[in-house]
Amino acid sequence: SQQGEEDPQALSIQEGENATMNCSYKTSINNLQWYRQNSGRGLVHLILIRSNEREKHSGRLRVTLDTSKKSSSLLITASRAADTASYFCATALNTGGFKTIFGAGTRLFVKA
Amino acid sequence: ETGVTQTPRHLVMGMTNKKSLKCEQHLGHNAMYWYKQSAKKPLELMFVYSLEERVENNSVPSRFSPECPNSSHLFLHLHTLQPEDSALYLCASSGGKGYNEQFFGPGTRLTVL
Repeated sequence: SQQGEEDPQALSIQEGENATMNCSYKTSINNLQWYRQNSGRGLVHLILIRSNEREKHSGRLRVTLDTSKKSSSLLITASRAADTASYFCATALNTGGFKTIFGAGTRLFVKA
Repeated sequence: ETGVTQTPRHLVMGMTNKKSLKCEQHLGHNAMYWYKQSAKKPLELMFVYSLEERVENNSVPSRFSPECPNSSHLFLHLHTLQPEDSALYLCASSGGKGYNEQFFGPGTRLTVL
């Protein structure tokens, strides 16, 4: 398995429900980031959580980080059809430099 | 609009062609990246430039040749590509010394015949 693996691979929910996506990683990180990608487009940065932070909020997004378990979760509350997209976690390694490793992503489908 | 533009948006080329992808960022960032995104595979980092100096090169075949003439522009020169090189090529930029959020362009959808 690789650094930055999302779970589940795909998720289908009804509008108004909450969506939870998980990310696991292997090596020491400086921070973990979540991105969103609409089909065939560029990625959009959602939120960054540093290794010394445990939880962060941004609007309807809530991110947690557990460095002891090397895992993170992204919660989208009160989902909307417009939230339909792929969501990626990305880990910025603690070795310095510019290397950020992306996972394979979770495809979220929100039914109206 | 993220402040990062890429041209062309779509490109179809034969295996013997030579083409270039262009990326421009209007954010005043000092680092620029090329990524390859293939179907059902994680985003693959290809190259990173910081202050116009290449700082990451992830074992990319020599048929891909990057160029960073200044901190706002990044090119990816392509020659004698293979069909398996067909993918979405994404450019990104970031500020600071690394670790920071990246701003992505819309990508170039490349098809190699």
